[in-house]
Order: sequence, then C-alpha cells, then structure tokens
Amino acid sequence: DAGVIQSPRHEVTEMGQEVTLRCKPISGHDYLFWYRQTMMRGLELLIYFNNNVPIDDSGMPEDRFSAKMPNASFSTLKIQPSEPRDSAVYFCASSLQGLQGFGPGTRLTVL
Amino acid sequence: GQNIDQPTEMTATEGAIVQINCTYQTSGFNGLFWYQQHAGEAPTFLSYNVLDGLEEKGRFSSFLSRSKGYSYLLLKELQMKDSASYLCAVRRGSTLGRLYFGRGTQLTVWP
Repeated sequence: DAGVIQSPRHEVTEMGQEVTLRCKPISGHDYLFWYRQTMMRGLELLIYFNNNVPIDDSGMPEDRFSAKMPNASFSTLKIQPSEPRDSAVYFCASSLQGLQGFGPGTRLTVL
Repeated sequence: GQNIDQPTEMTATEGAIVQINCTYQTSGFNGLFWYQQHAGEAPTFLSYNVLDGLEEKGRFSSFLSRSKGYSYLLLKELQMKDSASYLCAVRRGSTLGRLYFGRGTQLTVWP
C-alpha cells in the first residue's frame, strides 16, 4: 500500500511568491494533518481535518496560510505571500484511530 | 496545550541500553505513542501504550504509568543506526484523531 504522498519534495521560492504544497493521504484514513518542523520550534501542528472538514486551524500562523481538503484523497496547504521565516519542512500525515503515518515532507526555502 | 517533557539530548555507546523518559500532563489521556525520526526524514511509528505496563518489540520496549503521567522508551543493544530523534506523543479522548507531540530527544550513538 502506498503511504502518504507529498509534492513537491523540495521548493525554493522568493519572498512574496505563492507556494502550494500538496498531499495525498493513505486511502481509508479519515484524519489528515499538516505539520511544520523547524529546529527552533520542533514539530508544530498547523491544521487538521476529519472526513475532509477542518477541525482545528488554531496552529495556522497567519492569514497568509490556508489549507483545503476538497475530497478524501487530496489536500493543499497554501502560503501567500511567502516570507523567509516560512522556511521549514512541512509534513502531511494521515491517520485512522490515532496511528499517524507521515509523508516524506516538503522542504521549503523562501529566499 | 499539553505539557509533554523529554530530555533534549542523550548520548550512548554501541551495544549499550538507553532509556528515554517522557512525562506528560493532560486531561482525558487516551494513549501514548513513540515515533523515531532520522535526520532529514519523516517520523515513523515505533510503539503505542494505552494501558499501564511494558510493551516489547524486539530491541525496543515502551513503558507507561498513567497515574504518574510517565512513559519511557527503552532501546537495547544500541546500534549506530539508532541515532535519531525520538518523539513522545499523547492522545486525548476528547480529540481522538490528534496527537500532541513533545519536542523530541536527540539520541547519538557512538561507536
């Protein structure tokens, strides 16, 4: 079975540009999570969905961040406009009954 | 948020045994997870405890005491490849899908 799929794996962009990160969760999982990881702050939960509905977005740092889950097999995290402090690894994870499987992550660098 | 505490760093030598502790304070506790994360990679699931006691999986064991809000991960016969960050995460009954992660313990195994 395929695990969580994320794209792109690496993204380098300039400040002010729009960035879209994509995630395909494991089939049959009913929860989807977006995390951000940095050396300074560790693994932070940004937002999570249950059955495609956003449950808690209190971790989204600012209005520049938005996430959607139009169907059970796809989600996006968008940053517009991007800033250098957004540079981090962004992980998508999905779960069924609590056991979360993580995607490989997207390493974002904003210059 | 939840108070989850782990040591920041630990070191050990190959062949030794190391115990990584995790303490937590949360209401509605509903399970504790350990994840392993190698540098540049995604976290991967190691173990899960919901009842008091020891769960053994090969060289790795995890212990839980719910009354003390305490868990540990025990790694035996350490190998160089065990050098990684170990993340403790707690699940609450009121938010079953979500895990609350600690900052992680960076373990370095020396030859």
